[in-house]
Amino acid sequence: KAGVTQTPRYLIKTRGQQVTLSCSPISGHRSVSWYQQTPGQGLQFLFEYFSETQRNKGNFPGRFSGRQFSNSRSEMNVSTLELGDSALYLCASSWTGGYTGELFFGEGSRLTVL
Amino acid sequence: AQKVTQAQTEISVVEKEDVTLDCVYETRDTTYYLFWYKQPPSGELVFLIRRNSFDEQNEISGRYSWNFQKSTSSFNFTITASQVVDSAVYFCALSEAGVQGAQKLVFGQGTRLTINP
Repeated sequence: KAGVTQTPRYLIKTRGQQVTLSCSPISGHRSVSWYQQTPGQGLQFLFEYFSETQRNKGNFPGRFSGRQFSNSRSEMNVSTLELGDSALYLCASSWTGGYTGELFFGEGSRLTVL
Repeated sequence: AQKVTQAQTEISVVEKEDVTLDCVYETRDTTYYLFWYKQPPSGELVFLIRRNSFDEQNEISGRYSWNFQKSTSSFNFTITASQVVDSAVYFCALSEAGVQGAQKLVFGQGTRLTINP
C-alpha cells in the first residue's frame, strides 16, 4: 500500500515568488492536513481538507492557501514568499480526519527561500 | 489554549540503556487524544501510539512503553534496552477537536534522542 507522497521533495525559491506543493494521500483516505516544521516554531498546523472542503485552519497569513481535488489529492500554495517561509512542509492523510484518528505523514517538501 | 511541553530538547545515551522521554500537556477539554510520533532523518513522522483521555492504562509494545497520568497531565514514553535504530526526534502531540470534527494536532517541540553504540 503506497504511503503519502509529496512533491517536490526539495525546492529553492527567492523572496516574492510563489510556490505550489503537492500531496497524494494514501488510497481511500479523504482527509489531508498540512503542517509547517521550522527549527524555531516546531510543527504547526496549517489547514485540513476533507472531501474538497477546508474544515480547519491554523494561524497563518492569507498567503498560505490550499485546496483538495475530487481524488483527495491536495495542493498548498504560498504566495509572495518570505525568508521565514523556509521550512519542511509535511502533509498527512487519514480516513476521516476526526480527532481520534492517527495521521499518516509524507516525507515532506523542504522549501528554502533565498 | 492547548499546549504540549517536552522539556528535554536532546538526550544522548549509550546503547542498551533505558531512556524516558517526558511529555506534559495542557487542555481544558475533557475528551482528547494523545499521540507519540517518531521522526527519523528521512523526515516523515511515524505514528507510535494513541491514547484517549479516558484510558489511563499503561501500554507496552515490545521495548516501548507509555505511562499516561491524568493527575499530572503527563504522557511519558520509555524505551527499554535502547538501540542505535531508535535514534530520531520524538514528538508528543495532543489532538484538538476542531470545527466539524476535523483533526488538528498540537505538537511539543520534540526530543532529539541519540543512541550511541
